[in-house]
Amino acid sequence: AQSVTQLGSHVSVSEGALVLLRCNYSSSVPPYLFWYVQYPNQGLQLLLKYTTGATLVKGINGFEAEFKKSETSFHLTKPSAHMSDAAEYFCAVSNAGGTSYGKLTFGQGTILTVHP
Amino acid sequence: DTEVTQTPKHLVMGMTNKKSLKCEQHMGHRAMYWYKQKAKKPPELMFVYSYEKLSINESVPSRFSPECPNSSLLNLHLHALQPEDSALYLCASSQVWGAGTNEKLFFGSGTQLSVL
Repeated sequence: AQSVTQLGSHVSVSEGALVLLRCNYSSSVPPYLFWYVQYPNQGLQLLLKYTTGATLVKGINGFEAEFKKSETSFHLTKPSAHMSDAAEYFCAVSNAGGTSYGKLTFGQGTILTVHP
Repeated sequence: DTEVTQTPKHLVMGMTNKKSLKCEQHMGHRAMYWYKQKAKKPPELMFVYSYEKLSINESVPSRFSPECPNSSLLNLHLHALQPEDSALYLCASSQVWGAGTNEKLFFGSGTQLSVL
């Protein structure tokens, strides 16, 4: 079985401040981890993904995430927030085996608000 | 063309109606997905098609009937829906399915369905 927990359903930052969105996962086999962003009335867009290899993953729009196996975490960061970053962010997990094979499981989402 | 196109964008139907949602992609992807997203919730997987064959049905009620007529098209036929089926229905595609589903999913903008 696999699951994702996103700490904080709402995060508010000032423009130019650090963005940190937290994600912890549970997986019985090595996970594949993803961050997706959803703007209002739109579908989801992939920001970045971790499969194997380098644990620090860079994505689009200046976002990056670090896979920490010992902490079962995959937190999303951006050094300087922009107004256009305001959206809902979903962490997701899939894996190569077990009962969840071939399925992408999403966390509950974190709404990011950016203040001028 | 990196788009997944969904029609209609909005749909209102009665509980006795029959309607269909349509999804189209021209990226040569061989995996297509239906997700259901209730307000302020994460997307939940409904169906996965791989090479036009149904690979996953997440115990979805039979009032939802998927169809994949060819590799570019995915339909979701709706019949005798309940008000609790009101949600945003998202279609997605990826190059292939399986092998841990570490493939990037491309999402459409969704069909906002209201069942009266």
